[in-house]
Amino acid sequence: DTGVSQDPRHKITKRGQNVTFRCDPISEHNRLYWYRQTLGQGPEFLTYFQNEAQLEKSRLLSDRFSAERPKGSFSTLEIQRTEQGDSAMYLCASSPLAGAPGETQYFGPGTRLLVL
Amino acid sequence: AQSVTQLDSQVPVFEEAPVELRCNYSSSVSVYLFWYVQYPNQGLQLLLKYLSGSTLVKGINGFEAEFNKSQTSFHLRKPSVHISDTAEYFCAVSPWMDSSYKLIFGSGTRLLVRP
Repeated sequence: DTGVSQDPRHKITKRGQNVTFRCDPISEHNRLYWYRQTLGQGPEFLTYFQNEAQLEKSRLLSDRFSAERPKGSFSTLEIQRTEQGDSAMYLCASSPLAGAPGETQYFGPGTRLLVL
Repeated sequence: AQSVTQLDSQVPVFEEAPVELRCNYSSSVSVYLFWYVQYPNQGLQLLLKYLSGSTLVKGINGFEAEFNKSQTSFHLRKPSVHISDTAEYFCAVSPWMDSSYKLIFGSGTRLLVRP
């Protein structure tokens, strides 16, 4: 396995602009998770997919955020009308099979977003 | 709701000394427990996890952790650290009954190993 990859690794944008991040999970991993990590804090759950279905969204995911996973492969996370409070590291993780209790999640390197 | 507390934001230690990173959790339901490590510019990597059975869990890189249900703790230990262990360490829980199996993380402990 080549691991979970995320693109871009860094993004600087101006307030009000839209940004899109991409995550490529480990091949054949059915579950895909998005987390957000702000400075000095641990990652916080945003949303997750089982194949192409988005099954849960955190209250942290405002209406400006949207995530997709077409065809159950890669996923995108879009933030519209970015705000300075959106500045954070956005982490993607995937887990194999159908998702089992205690199953290991494999994390990508993250996309660091800075909103000016 | 669940929460994870890592009281020590930073732990400095000399090389070859033992170390313990503390983790306490709060939950009204049973949880699985994890420790992840984050090296600079890298993703989180699983060190070890407790699902059931023996309360002493051994992980990679010589780390181990002990689950204490009565104290709701899952402290991470290593008998002798190396410079390369310098990283951020995160404790996390995942509720048994939550079908998302999402992870709830603590705020992390930065381990700083000095020569």
